[in-house]
Amino acid sequence: AQSVTQLGSHVSVSEGALVLLRCNYSSSVPPYLFWYVQYPNQGLQLLLKYTSAATLVKGINGFEAEFKKSETSFHLTKPSAHMSDAAEYFCAVSASNTGNQFYFGTGTSLTVIP
Amino acid sequence: KAGVTQTPRYLIKTRGQQVTLSCSPISGHRSVSWYQQTPGQGLQFLFEYFSETQRNKGNFPGRFSGRQFSNSRSEMNVSTLELGDSALYLCASSAGTGNQPQHFGDGTRLSIL
Repeated sequence: AQSVTQLGSHVSVSEGALVLLRCNYSSSVPPYLFWYVQYPNQGLQLLLKYTSAATLVKGINGFEAEFKKSETSFHLTKPSAHMSDAAEYFCAVSASNTGNQFYFGTGTSLTVIP
Repeated sequence: KAGVTQTPRYLIKTRGQQVTLSCSPISGHRSVSWYQQTPGQGLQFLFEYFSETQRNKGNFPGRFSGRQFSNSRSEMNVSTLELGDSALYLCASSAGTGNQPQHFGDGTRLSIL
């Protein structure tokens, strides 16, 4: 079975500071991992994905994530936070043996302080 | 390329009624998944349809049902609505394999009075 745990339901950073959102996964087979962002009253938008190629994945809006198998982690980072980054972020896992079923974390709400 | 379209965007119903929500996937996508999102429970998986067949199912009562048509459009039906069904219902489409991302619509906000 697959699952993800997002540590920290709320994260606050100052504008210009490093953003670090944590995600740990559990999977009995090699996982596929995704990060999504959700703005108020909108659906989820894909930020980036890991599907067994390079372990450092670059996404949109300056975000990137590193797949670390030994730590079962897929943390999301951005070097410098912008006000527009304030949103809800979701980590998700799927696998080759689950068809297309995605398992989402409970989300992390990011606040950017001016 | 048009994105995932969900209709209607907002819906108000009363307890006991039933409701049907619609989702048009991205052209070429054969998989459609439905999720319920609430502040207390987060994002919960309802079911997934692939080529008109339900392939995966979450842990929701039988009042929640769905179907998919030959053009991959999908509908979700909720019967005998309860106050707790108030939520944002999200639809996501994909090519149908686990390594392909799901693409989400903006959701239908359902409010039960």
